[in-house]
Amino acid sequence: KAGVTQTPRYLIKTRGQQVTLSCSPISGHRSVSWYQQTPGQGLQFLFEYFSETQRNKGNFPGRFSGRQFSNSRSEMNVSTLELGDSALYLCATSLGGPYNEQFFGPGTRLTVL
Amino acid sequence: AQTVTQSQPEMSVQEAETVTLSCTYDTSESDYYLFWYKQPPSRQMILVIRQEAYKQQNATENRFSVNFQKAAKSFSLKISDSQLGDAAMYFCAYLSGAGSYQLTFGKGTKLSVIP
Repeated sequence: KAGVTQTPRYLIKTRGQQVTLSCSPISGHRSVSWYQQTPGQGLQFLFEYFSETQRNKGNFPGRFSGRQFSNSRSEMNVSTLELGDSALYLCATSLGGPYNEQFFGPGTRLTVL
Repeated sequence: AQTVTQSQPEMSVQEAETVTLSCTYDTSESDYYLFWYKQPPSRQMILVIRQEAYKQQNATENRFSVNFQKAAKSFSLKISDSQLGDAAMYFCAYLSGAGSYQLTFGKGTKLSVIP
């Protein structure tokens, strides 16, 4: 069974630009969660989608948005990039039940210059 | 809001020895799950072990075991017979039983294994 895939693996953008990251879940997984990982703040929850609906959202500004498609693939978008958005963005997928194990992807390393 | 604290930013252990990583958490809930995740230098996070709060028995997975003290809100990870491949960042995480689907992570402990 293929694991969670994230594309692209690396991105370099400049302030003010926008970026879209993609996450393809393990086959059969309907829940996709996104996390931001930085050295200072650690791992912080962005949002979670299940069956194309956002079920939960973390404390991030509206510049961070996401969506999920009917095949469970998810994208997250960050508009008007700031230097502080530089981070490793991880997605985690699961079957979608409250205690189902979450499987993480390798992450997308975003650098904002 | 729940918080998870890992008080040891870095630890080291000799190969074949035992090491314990500490984690405490703060919650007013009675139903929740706790996890230890491992993130090797390649960055792919993997689940090491999980503990249901309603279970008194401590979880074990091969060389990995936990000491879950619910009243003290403590959840430590013991790694026995440490191997070079155990070197990684270890994160303690909390999942609410209220169906939030959101993992709350500690800041992590970097474990080095000395040959």
